[in-house]
Amino acid sequence: KAGVTQTPRYLIKTRGQQVTLSCSPISGHRSVSWYQQTPGQGLQFLFEYFSETQRNKGNFPGRFSGRQFSNSRSEMNVSTLELGDSALYLCASSLVVGPGSETQYFGPGTRLLVL
Amino acid sequence: QQQVKQSPQSLIVQKGGIPIINCAYENTAFDYFPWYQQFPGKGPALLIAIRPDVSEKKEGRFTISFNKSAKQFSLHIMDSQPGDSATYFCAANFGNEKLTFGTGTRLTIIP
Repeated sequence: KAGVTQTPRYLIKTRGQQVTLSCSPISGHRSVSWYQQTPGQGLQFLFEYFSETQRNKGNFPGRFSGRQFSNSRSEMNVSTLELGDSALYLCASSLVVGPGSETQYFGPGTRLLVL
Repeated sequence: QQQVKQSPQSLIVQKGGIPIINCAYENTAFDYFPWYQQFPGKGPALLIAIRPDVSEKKEGRFTISFNKSAKQFSLHIMDSQPGDSATYFCAANFGNEKLTFGTGTRLTIIP
């Protein structure tokens, strides 16, 4: 089975621009979570989508948004980019067959640099 | 607030030694405790995970020890190798809640 894929892998933007990142989960996985990873803050949860609905949300401003499509693919959008948005953005997918906790599998990430 | 505290921040061990990374949690509702390994430029990869109904789980050279009463769990790497040099993250969650990650431990295994 192919793993989680993320595109693009690297991105350079300037302040004020917006960016869209894409994530394709492992085939059959219905949940997609997004994380921001920075050296200072570690891994911080952005949001989780399950069956096209946002199920969990972290403490990030409204400039960060996401969505999930019927095929479970997900996109994350950041508007009005700030220098502090420079980070590795990670997507993780999980199967979800019941109410219990399940393993999350991470993609390689998208490295975003805001100049 | 759900928190997972991880220590040490960095660790240097000689090849063949047994690095130990510790995590402590506060939320007694947590019922799933995975460890992730991350190499530079890569996403975290699941290493091993444990649920609170067992006190220890071993997979290859990696062992999780779990102490429910102390709300602590730790990762041991037996016969460590230079290829184990990476950043390790502990995490915890319950049900459909988000994973809460520790701050990470940068492990260096020297030959």
